[in-house]
Amino acid sequence: GAGVSQTPSNKVTEKGKYVELRCDPISGHTALYWYRQSLGQGPEFLIYFQGTGAADDSGLPNDRFFAVRPEGSVSTLKIQRTERGDSAVYLCASSRPLTGQKPQETQYFGPGTRLLVL
Amino acid sequence: SQQGEEDPQALSIQEGENATMNCSYKTSINNLQWYRQNSGRGLVHLILIRSNEREKHSGRLRVTLDTSKKSSSLLITASRAADTASYFCAVSGAGGTSYGKLTFGQGTILTVHP
Repeated sequence: GAGVSQTPSNKVTEKGKYVELRCDPISGHTALYWYRQSLGQGPEFLIYFQGTGAADDSGLPNDRFFAVRPEGSVSTLKIQRTERGDSAVYLCASSRPLTGQKPQETQYFGPGTRLLVL
Repeated sequence: SQQGEEDPQALSIQEGENATMNCSYKTSINNLQWYRQNSGRGLVHLILIRSNEREKHSGRLRVTLDTSKKSSSLLITASRAADTASYFCAVSGAGGTSYGKLTFGQGTILTVHP
């Protein structure tokens, strides 16, 4: 597709449930990023992938959060035992490869998934 | 905690006026980027300035970077109603963190009145 797509656009769940959020990056982009944005705040980094592997997962808040990118394209962010504090917009971004290991600097963001935990 | 701190938190101007937003950060960086976010939409990259650069231009945008003061400013000239949005600065590689990790500020809400 032309841009980063995320599904679903909205997700309402109950406290304690499991959710999966999907991200389709721009074709050919090797780096993929997940951020979380709470109301009135800037995005907060969660994790980024270079290909299939997590290059930096330092932003994942706890072990209830997990992300995968098994084939180096689509990524899924998984949240177990959701809590009301997990309610936020989850943003995905991707970027083109540079030479070597560094991703291209500009990140292209998707529209986000708005998660509401009741 | 977020690296970038932006001011003002909100800015309201008339169409045709210039808008200036400021961003400060705490540690060394690889680059600093500015993004725009319209209500209910994703972030759009505006401009990137590297740590060894002092000023960059792109259309009606001018960005400056002062690494000695750890601050940056974004100037939008001849503003339009369509510029109404939230503007975020983001730093890459803050404090030696990974290159791909962007640390965002809390943003400036810009309103341009027709």
